[in-house]
Amino acid sequence: DVKVTQSSRYLVKRTGEKVFLECVQDMDHENMFWYRQDPGLGLRLIYFSYDVKMKEKGDIPEGYSVSREKKERFSLILESASTNQTSMYLCASRPGSQGSTEAFFGQGTRLTVV
Amino acid sequence: AQTVTQSQPEMSVQEAETVTLSCTYDTSESDYYLFWYKQPPSRQMILVIRQEAYKQQNATENRFSVNFQKAAKSFSLKISDSQLGDAAMYFCAYRSVWGGSNYKLTFGKGTLLTVNP
Repeated sequence: DVKVTQSSRYLVKRTGEKVFLECVQDMDHENMFWYRQDPGLGLRLIYFSYDVKMKEKGDIPEGYSVSREKKERFSLILESASTNQTSMYLCASRPGSQGSTEAFFGQGTRLTVV
Repeated sequence: AQTVTQSQPEMSVQEAETVTLSCTYDTSESDYYLFWYKQPPSRQMILVIRQEAYKQQNATENRFSVNFQKAAKSFSLKISDSQLGDAAMYFCAYRSVWGGSNYKLTFGKGTLLTVNP
């Protein structure tokens, strides 16, 4: 089974802190994604990566950066956490090949910024 | 840019009954993929069913089936013989086949399904 693992299920951080959310997948997938999930807004794409050291902005990249130094790991970085970044963060991965293969998701990290 | 609309924020169904969740999308592309994902209280997103736009036949997975109307840009999910374990948030999602946007899924806002015993 594909496994996407997010390092924390719950995090509480203070305003202004630098926050790292880590995601690891074990299926050698080329594509990895970070989504933000908010009630009534669904899932919105923050950043994605289609290869090591490659990244593309999604729909809401402001206030975030990412790092992909190894194929299996994709990190989301909040440079200076703010209360409006309190949310659920979901990581996903998918093979790079064409086709209808679905994305596989981690269990999410619920981040609270106080 | 593509958009996905789920017009029902919440739905409820009696156990063993049938329920249909609605999804419409907007795209200028002729080839694409559509998905329904389920997110139970555990938060784990699970694929329920997928549809390739070039296929006219509606996808079916056990109790789950879709009604794909390409001209109307509609992609509804039917759950038959509803079970308590079907209670979850359901998301409709779109993915392009070609180009840079091939990489990402575009999601609707979700429909929260309650199953009553």
